[in-house]
Amino acid sequence: ETGVTQTPRHLVMGMTNKKSLKCEQHLGHNAMYWYKQSAKKPLELMFVYNFKEQTENNSVPSRFSPECPNSSHLFLHLHTLQPEDSALYLCASSQEGVRGGVETQYFGPGTRLLVL
Amino acid sequence: TQLLEQSPQFLSIQEGENLTVYCNSSSVFSSLQWYRQEPGEGPVLLVTVVTGGEVKKLKRLTFQFGDARKDSSLHITAAQPGDTGLYLCAGKTGANNLFFGTGTRLTVIP
Repeated sequence: ETGVTQTPRHLVMGMTNKKSLKCEQHLGHNAMYWYKQSAKKPLELMFVYNFKEQTENNSVPSRFSPECPNSSHLFLHLHTLQPEDSALYLCASSQEGVRGGVETQYFGPGTRLLVL
Repeated sequence: TQLLEQSPQFLSIQEGENLTVYCNSSSVFSSLQWYRQEPGEGPVLLVTVVTGGEVKKLKRLTFQFGDARKDSSLHITAAQPGDTGLYLCAGKTGANNLFFGTGTRLTVIP
């Protein structure tokens, strides 16, 4: 496997279910991100992990819970979601260096989530 | 939250035509990136511009960063069906996070 992979690619869940999204990067990067892409909104940053430490949490509801066990893996645990949480969830990674540097983010293909 | 407005939101053109997509903000960015996203895929970086007034060319694509580093444009010459996709601009401030634009969905008709 190369690049950034995400599983599952598609997920349908009820509002009472608990599920997890998985992301794995094979690029040796030290930072990983979760984004939400909805039809009518710009791509929204949810969480940032740098060197396995969570550095950003953009006011995301607690029904989304990230986990970063190591620099290659990132999870997004989902519970009691709402229909408006239906979206494409994208994972990305980058090699962060100097603050303000221009690193490239590499995105996975996303998980298309539908909450019924 | 820095807002980047892209225009047009949707664009459908014939193969061979030229087009320009705009990305505007009231915020100043230290750098600006353009991504293209195809159906079923994540965004892929096309270019990064860092200097006000900078122009970069990538084959038929020309990218420009505004002098004040608040806006950018993407010009495509002789569009091809393979150019079809969602074009996203993304600006970076002093911190390391990217703020994405609203997107332009381009369809090139053969």
